[in-house]
Amino acid sequence: AQKVTQAQTEISVVEKEDVTLDCVYETRDTTYYLFWYKQPPSGELVFLIRRNSFDEQNEISGRYSWNFQKSTSSFNFTITASQVVDSAVYFCALSENTGGFKTIFGAGTRLFVKA
Amino acid sequence: GAGVSQSPSNKVTEKGKDVELRCDPISGHTALYWYRQSLGQGLEFLIYFQGNSAPDKSGLPSDRFSAERTGGSVSTLTIQRTQQEDSAVYLCASSSPPGLANGELFFGEGSRLTVL
Repeated sequence: AQKVTQAQTEISVVEKEDVTLDCVYETRDTTYYLFWYKQPPSGELVFLIRRNSFDEQNEISGRYSWNFQKSTSSFNFTITASQVVDSAVYFCALSENTGGFKTIFGAGTRLFVKA
Repeated sequence: GAGVSQSPSNKVTEKGKDVELRCDPISGHTALYWYRQSLGQGLEFLIYFQGNSAPDKSGLPSDRFSAERTGGSVSTLTIQRTQQEDSAVYLCASSSPPGLANGELFFGEGSRLTVL
């Protein structure tokens, strides 16, 4: 069964702190895709990153980095030196082939970054 | 158009009425998704289409909900005999298959449904 768990409902940090958002997934497929999306207060969903199941290389993009570990079925997201503008809800998502690519989302983690 | 277009952006209806929500995906995107987001909640998967076919309808909450897609393009989500618990933002997204492109979902701005 396809499942994404984001155990952290809300996280509050002070600006410039590092923060890691956890994501654990379940899938029966050997080929799948993992995503992170950001939903700022304005409401629109913004794509951040996609990883393929066969590429475990971690990735860094500016202050953002992602740690993909198949052994623990985790795809965690770290924001370094957080800023107030990072305040948003962050969703982890999993896409697997079920006759097309069904994409489901975790419940989201609401991040508050205080000045 | 350049992005995913949804209409109406806002809909207020009375309990028991039927509503139709429309989604116009990005041209050429073969996959189309419907999600529901209640206030302060996550994205609840409803249904997705690959072309005109819906391989997975398991997320539809009840038989009052139905969706169709025609011409591999526009999709309509219909809610019959609306109930107050149907109040939410209904989000549509489209994508190219991950093997061909990034697989990123492009979201519309949503249709906010309020059932009085």
